[in-house]
Amino acid sequence: AQTVTQSQPEMSVQEAETVTLSCTYDTSESDYYLFWYKQPPSRQMILVIRQEAYKQQNATENRFSVNFQKAAKSFSLKISDSQLGDAAMYFCAYRRASGTYKYIFGTGTRLKVLA
Amino acid sequence: ETGVTQTPRHLVMGMTNKKSLKCEQHLGHNAMYWYKQSAKKPLELMFVYSLEERVENNSVPSRFSPECPNSSHLFLHLHTLQPEDSALYLCASSQVGAATFPLTDTQYFGPGTRLTVL
Repeated sequence: AQTVTQSQPEMSVQEAETVTLSCTYDTSESDYYLFWYKQPPSRQMILVIRQEAYKQQNATENRFSVNFQKAAKSFSLKISDSQLGDAAMYFCAYRRASGTYKYIFGTGTRLKVLA
Repeated sequence: ETGVTQTPRHLVMGMTNKKSLKCEQHLGHNAMYWYKQSAKKPLELMFVYSLEERVENNSVPSRFSPECPNSSHLFLHLHTLQPEDSALYLCASSQVGAATFPLTDTQYFGPGTRLTVL
């Protein structure tokens, strides 16, 4: 069965600094998608970044980038120039490329941004 | 209204009550999802509807009953709940491909309903 593990329940970063959130997953599939979602306090969960497993190039969205290591089954999120608005729960998620609607989520990492 | 909306935002109910959660998506998507979010646990997928047909039902107790009357609306009917059912219930929607499903869909989430069962 596929699993997603986020080993850091909580992280802190100083404003304007860089932080990396870890995510590992377990699957026997070769084709899948990986996601990072952000859930600010009392606000909606939104997609931060998505990676297709068949793409070797790491996805980037402005200050957010991933380090996708397929062989190691690792998918970390790097946030550069951290801002107060980045404070939130961050969830890593996995989904097979086809044949299912099911997403597998990790338990989340709470990110605190210190002014 | 834009995106995915959910009502009510907060709900307190007794174990003998019957209530319903409502979700509406304004994105033209064809798949809708119910998740349960409990503290320190991964999001649990409960139900998935694609083209108004239930395609996933992850061993959810029968006291939770979903309904999808059309592609824009999703309900979760609740009856005889237990205190351990207290959680944040999230609705999401996505656009899934017809030929190769589910394509490169991204889920869009609603704000959730905070449910407390006394």
